[in-house]
Amino acid sequence: KNQVEQSPQSLIILEGKNCTLQCNYTVSPFSNLRWYKQDTGRGPVSLTIMTFSENTKSNGRYTATLDADTKQSSLHITASQLSDSASYICVVGYTGGFKTIFGAGTRLFVKA
Amino acid sequence: DAGVIQSPRHEVTEMGQEVTLRCKPISGHDYLFWYRQTMMRGLELLIYFNNNVPIDDSGMPEDRFSAKMPNASFSTLKIQPSEPRDSAVYFCASRPNRGGTEAFFGQGTRLTVV
Repeated sequence: KNQVEQSPQSLIILEGKNCTLQCNYTVSPFSNLRWYKQDTGRGPVSLTIMTFSENTKSNGRYTATLDADTKQSSLHITASQLSDSASYICVVGYTGGFKTIFGAGTRLFVKA
Repeated sequence: DAGVIQSPRHEVTEMGQEVTLRCKPISGHDYLFWYRQTMMRGLELLIYFNNNVPIDDSGMPEDRFSAKMPNASFSTLKIQPSEPRDSAVYFCASRPNRGGTEAFFGQGTRLTVV
């Protein structure tokens, strides 16, 4: 069964600290993996997208990694800011088209 | 570009009423997607269009849901009749035809059916 699982479900960190969010998937055939950031009351905004051959991609303070062998991805946030408080959603695309499986998201709270 | 524009931002309606959600994609984008987001189920793809043609509607939950795209700059998602379990945030997104590019989401329509 195609599934995307994210952990932790929620996370509280202090401003300035780093954190890592996890995404495990059992989607086949794999096409790509995307991380989205969703602020409260807003639509998701893309952070990174990786295909099978890519194992890391950065977007400012956000760095995503992908291990296609173990079917795991992580999103690392460096030097967190209050504005990083949001939900982070892992999305795995498969069958080469637009079929996608969304993770439930990790809710990140950054405290001053 | 103003991005993907959805209307209304909020909709409250009574059970049994017809609800129509509207979306204006980004100009030049060939793909349009409708998603639903709830606390219980997260984000779900309902249907997507390519060049105004519905390609995959397997995510549409029931026959009460229908979507149209009469032209490249407008799409609607209709629920008739609406039920309380349809309460959710409905997102529209669009993307260009180039491979590997991201979908851009609208602000969403928060639907409450009472």
